[in-house]
Amino acid sequence: DAGVTQSPTHLIKTRGQQVTLRCSPKSGHDTVSWYQQALGQGPQFIFQYYEEEERQRGNFPDRFSGHQFPNYSSELNVNALLLGDSALYLCASSLDRGLDWGEQFFGPGTRLTVL
Amino acid sequence: AQSVTQLDSHVSVSEGTPVLLRCNYSSSYSPSLFWYVQHPNKGLQLLLKYTSAATLVKGINGFEAEFKKSETSFHLTKPSAHMSDAAEYFCVVTHNQAGTALIFGKGTTLSVSS
Repeated sequence: DAGVTQSPTHLIKTRGQQVTLRCSPKSGHDTVSWYQQALGQGPQFIFQYYEEEERQRGNFPDRFSGHQFPNYSSELNVNALLLGDSALYLCASSLDRGLDWGEQFFGPGTRLTVL
Repeated sequence: AQSVTQLDSHVSVSEGTPVLLRCNYSSSYSPSLFWYVQHPNKGLQLLLKYTSAATLVKGINGFEAEFKKSETSFHLTKPSAHMSDAAEYFCVVTHNQAGTALIFGKGTTLSVSS
């Protein structure tokens, strides 16, 4: 059973560019959350998608947007990149019901470097 | 509002000695609490979780944590450290309801010496 997968693993962009990160959830999971982990910090919640809708959003600007597809996979888009957007972006999937409710499974992350 | 405070940014122990990583939480609601571990260049792995059942929670690799509501604490312990335990540990709080985000502490780096 494949766990959470993310692509690409590494990405280098320049300021002002746009980037799209992708995530495939663990099999059977229907909820996808995105987190930003700056160097030396704990992950910070960006937003969560459920039933193709953004259900909850953290304290991130509108430059950060996302999408969830009918197969539950998800994309994170960041526009007008800033140097401060350099971080590890983590995707986590979970099930919105059942015994494993609430437990989030994390992917390995995408390392974004903005120059 | 919810938050977690990890009281130590860095803990150093010798192999075979006990491990204690401290975490205090703040929550307006009935919380769920987790400990995650992150090894270098690897994804976050769940060690254990508390979701309002037994207050002493056992996790993987010999780790356990005790939920103490009166002290608003959820400290992580292990009787005997192993070299492979060296990693970054995160205490996490969330609402005990669907659709809520995980709130991470800043992390504690555990170093284990031989």
